Amino acid sequence: DAKTTQPPSMDCAEGRAANLPCNHSTISGNEYVYWYRQIHSQGPQYIIHGLKNNETNEMASLIITEDRKSSTLILPHATLRDTAVYYCIVDLRNYGGSQGNLIFGKGTKLSVKP
Amino acid sequence: EAQVTQNPRYLITVTGKKLTVTCSQNMNHEYMSWYRQDPGLGLRQIYYSMNVEVTDKGDVPEGYKVSRKEKRNFPLILESPSPNQTSLYFCASSPGYGAKNIQYFGAGTRLSVL
Repeated sequence: DAKTTQPPSMDCAEGRAANLPCNHSTISGNEYVYWYRQIHSQGPQYIIHGLKNNETNEMASLIITEDRKSSTLILPHATLRDTAVYYCIVDLRNYGGSQGNLIFGKGTKLSVKP
Repeated sequence: EAQVTQNPRYLITVTGKKLTVTCSQNMNHEYMSWYRQDPGLGLRQIYYSMNVEVTDKGDVPEGYKVSRKEKRNFPLILESPSPNQTSLYFCASSPGYGAKNIQYFGAGTRLSVL
């Protein structure tokens, strides 16, 4: 069962910030939010994860609402190479369904345009 | 460079001809996993391994075998491939406990069974 809801597609102008939303209204207190992306049939790539505080790394920022029912992945200066399907995943930190099974869902196809 | 290496990248074979897809990681990761990706079905886990000599079935294990004799290698074996195993396969590894959901994926193996 899908634990997250994402828009199927989004466009972003090159150089602008890409803000990708994710709803996870049934998230439990010990579940983390993970973001991955997949660039056209390549292996999925881990981006970032968080529990309740906002997180930032060299790739992106993750903003989680105070009630934790939604989050936003921010790519601050999108480039053409950021065109990909972005997946928001909610799961327990240590288990992933006890077998490390990442449930990717359908994700958001982000198209970065010149 | 830290990476997960799969071979071959592309493979066309015939029904019933045994094949092995190799997977190797150079990050000393404890956890490794195999997924298959099919249109409309997303990524589904085939087998996973918590550590050397410890393997277990994922969600779609039928028709596949794995082994984990060494920490770095996790080959996927198709004893008697069938056309319904035509798919895009990904191997992934993770540091394991506490970070099982941060997985690093190989580039993929596109398999066609005729």
